[in-house]
Amino acid sequence: QKEVEQDPGPLSVPEGAIVSLNCTYSNSAFQYFMWYRQYSRKGPELLMYTYSSGNKEDGRFTAQVDKSSKYISLFIRDSQPSDSATYLCAMSGNTGNQFYFGTGTSLTVIP
Amino acid sequence: NAGVTQTPKFQVLKTGQSMTLQCAQDMNHNSMYWYRQDPGMGLRLIYYSASEGTTDKGEVPNGYNVSRLNKREFSLRLESAAPSQTSVYFCASTRTSGPYEQYFGPGTRLTVT
Repeated sequence: QKEVEQDPGPLSVPEGAIVSLNCTYSNSAFQYFMWYRQYSRKGPELLMYTYSSGNKEDGRFTAQVDKSSKYISLFIRDSQPSDSATYLCAMSGNTGNQFYFGTGTSLTVIP
Repeated sequence: NAGVTQTPKFQVLKTGQSMTLQCAQDMNHNSMYWYRQDPGMGLRLIYYSASEGTTDKGEVPNGYNVSRLNKREFSLRLESAAPSQTSVYFCASTRTSGPYEQYFGPGTRLTVT
């Protein structure tokens, strides 16, 4: 079993829709949870970061962590065509020495 | 503040050739990483360096060597390139103490023929 599972999609939504992206994980030692956005032929760009459980909001983006279910989510409100990208979840334990990534979900927002 | 930089951006090698991928960061981060990204496989860790002078193997280290030249620079060497090493290579860095956000470079696209 992989440490981190992420549905690869692809996901296609109309502009203005609410998008929900999810990852599950198996290692209860994970404490730091991140979401990255990766545009085609670019490096991953850190989008959201959360420590332990709870919610974090940044503009149109909300990250949620449910450690009891080992489940994390990223919500995008009022999605825009510029949100079209691959979204990767990532997580690490307390030492931060190794990071575990999902395979990424490809999102297309249609104008 | 350039963040994480990588050179070269693109490279084509013949089987058996060698090359070194360069990475530098200007964020005063202690930890640096090399990943490869292949379709359907996600990001896989090749090597990482928790601090200057230390390196550790990741998930897929075979065929690669690394050097942590100083705090800023971390290079990845392919001694004898193979077609299976065709991939996009990313360097990343992070602080040693939390929060453990990773920052990535723009990547190197390597093709081995």
